[in-house]
Amino acid sequence: AQSVAQPEDQVNVAEGNPLTVKCTYSVSGNPYLFWYVQYPNRGLQFLLKYITGDNLVKGSYGFEAEFNKSQTSFHLKKPSALVSDSALYFCAVRDVNSGTYKYIFGTGTRLKVLA
Amino acid sequence: EAQVTQNPRYLITVTGKKLTVTCSQNMNHEYMSWYRQDPGLGLRQIYYSMNVEVTDKGDVPEGYKVSRKEKRNFPLILESPSPNQTSLYFCASSLRTDLGEQYFGPGTRLTVT
Repeated sequence: AQSVAQPEDQVNVAEGNPLTVKCTYSVSGNPYLFWYVQYPNRGLQFLLKYITGDNLVKGSYGFEAEFNKSQTSFHLKKPSALVSDSALYFCAVRDVNSGTYKYIFGTGTRLKVLA
Repeated sequence: EAQVTQNPRYLITVTGKKLTVTCSQNMNHEYMSWYRQDPGLGLRQIYYSMNVEVTDKGDVPEGYKVSRKEKRNFPLILESPSPNQTSLYFCASSLRTDLGEQYFGPGTRLTVT
């Protein structure tokens, strides 16, 4: 069975500092991995994805994520946080070898960037 | 403007009264899906559709029905809503079933009393 874990309910970081939002996954086959962001009272917005190829993927708004197969992780990072990055972040996975097109989302991590 | 629209945005109803939440996309997307968002549980997939007349269950399909008669529309039907279906619902679509990048609608907040 597929699963995603976001171990931190909330991450606080000072503006200008680097940020990391953690995600680990479990699939029996190969994963497609995604990060989405949700601003208050809005739907989710796609940030980036890993399908295949380079383990470091770059996405919108200066975010990037590193796929680590041995640690089954896909942490979201940004070198310098902005107050406007404060939002709810979701990691998601699809097991490419499952024979389904089902997506599993994590429980979300609230990022607070402090001025 | 390319978008996913949902109606209604807010709905308060009573137990057992059938309701439909509509979802429409104007991007000619192949894949469409419904999710519910609950505090502490994140997003959970209810149903998805790979194309017209092709649907499959997500992780929490009980109590819900869907249909995909046209490519642009993917309504969510609650035939006999119960209070545990009180939630925030999102419809999403993706250009291709295998690509994964989904565009989300604005959400429908449903309260069942």
